[in-house]
Amino acid sequence: GAVVSQHPSWVICKSGTSVKIECRSLDFQATTMFWYRQFPKQSLMLMATSNEGSKATYEQGVEKDKFLINHASLTLSTLTVTSAHPEDSSFYICSADPDSTDTQYFGPGTRLTVL
Amino acid sequence: SQKIEQNSEALNIQEGKTATLTCNYTNYSPAYLQWYRQDPGRGPVFLLLIRENEKEKRKERLKVTFDTTLKQSLFHITASQPADSATYLCASPPSGTYKYIFGTGTRLKVLA
Repeated sequence: GAVVSQHPSWVICKSGTSVKIECRSLDFQATTMFWYRQFPKQSLMLMATSNEGSKATYEQGVEKDKFLINHASLTLSTLTVTSAHPEDSSFYICSADPDSTDTQYFGPGTRLTVL
Repeated sequence: SQKIEQNSEALNIQEGKTATLTCNYTNYSPAYLQWYRQDPGRGPVFLLLIRENEKEKRKERLKVTFDTTLKQSLFHITASQPADSATYLCASPPSGTYKYIFGTGTRLKVLA
């Protein structure tokens, strides 16, 4: 199956700093990638859709100036959490859908802890 | 609003038995449904996809059904093993979109 990686797998940062999370499709190209957030014992909530070469599409209630998304190539999307606060602490997961498969493949996730 | 619900938050069964998990959808008609497995601290792993015109799909010890009348999908694990213990999620995109809605998941524990 298709492989998606994320880096880092976990990060701890101080309040007010920015954190960048990378999502890579390793063996396929992805014009679209998705970013999710998952709180403990809750399901995945879509934050935004990342489109290669164009602006991301954010879900209602997600601040685009706080969660900056860049999809600079067909295999890489980045999510930057700017001026992070403790309430941003969560598990962030990306996914990608190889063309025409109707299946999303997920990265292993990034655990963000903001102190 | 369009929703997916997994009725059981947790399910404990004895090793060797068949585990059956339920996924119900409301206010839309998905073209397909997917089931994922998620282990603690990890991203979901794709298991099976079933389309609206398919009644049943199998993969090794896994079986998925799709009943458009009941608006429900059932996920079965036969001859369950402790290694099957995980959270299982169902998901699908509402018609005309590619954005997935996920159920809250069922935490399955297979007891040895």
